[in-house]
Amino acid sequence: DAGVTQSPTHLIKTRGQQVTLRCSPKSGHDTVSWYQQALGQGPQFIFQYYEEEERQRGNFPDRFSGHQFPNYSSELNVNALLLGDSALYLCASSSRQGFQHNEQFFGPGTRLTVL
Amino acid sequence: AQKVTQAQTEISVVEKEDVTLDCVYETRDTTYYLFWYKQPPSGELVFLIRRNSFDEQNEISGRYSWNFQKSTSSFNFTITASQVVDSAVYFCALKVGNEKLTFGTGTRLTIIP
Repeated sequence: DAGVTQSPTHLIKTRGQQVTLRCSPKSGHDTVSWYQQALGQGPQFIFQYYEEEERQRGNFPDRFSGHQFPNYSSELNVNALLLGDSALYLCASSSRQGFQHNEQFFGPGTRLTVL
Repeated sequence: AQKVTQAQTEISVVEKEDVTLDCVYETRDTTYYLFWYKQPPSGELVFLIRRNSFDEQNEISGRYSWNFQKSTSSFNFTITASQVVDSAVYFCALKVGNEKLTFGTGTRLTIIP
C-alpha cells in the first residue's frame, strides 16, 4: 500500500517564476492538505481540498492556488515566486470517512529553493 | 483560534537518559485532537500518536509515553532510555474537527552517544 507521494523531491526556481508541485494521497484517502514549512519552523497550513474543491484556506496570498483531480491527487501552484517562498512543502492526506478523518499522513515533501 | 507552544527549542541528552518534550495548547473548543509527529532529517513527518480531548488516559508505547492534562492544557511526550535514533525534530499539533492541523514550532532533540 503506497503512502503519500510527492513530486518533485527538489526544485530550484528564480524569483518571478511559477511552480507546480504534485501530490498523490494514500490509497483510500479523499482529502489533501498542503503545508509550507520554512527552515526551523513548524508546518503552516496553506489549504485543503476535498471533492475537488478548496474547503479551507490558511493565511496565504492568492499567489498560492491548488487543484484536486477526480482521482484525489492534487497540485499546488505558486505564481510570481518570492525568495520567502523557499521552504519544504508538505502534502498530507486523510479520509473523511468514519473515525479516520482526524489522522493525516504526510508525504516526504518537496524542497523548493527560490533564487 | 488555535495555538500550540513548544517552549523547548533544542534539547540534548546523553544516550539512555530519559527526556520529556513539553507541549502547551490553546483552543476554545471542547472537542479537539492532539498529535505528536517526528521529523527526521529526511523531512517526512512521522505520526506518533493522536489523542482526543475526552480521553485523558496516559499512553505508553514501548519507550514512548504521553501525559495529557486538560487542567494545564498540556500534552507532554517522554522518551525513556533514549537512543541515537530518537534524534529528530518533534512537533506537537492540534486539530479541531475537520480543520487544519496547527503545529508548534518544534523541539530539536539530539541524543549524544
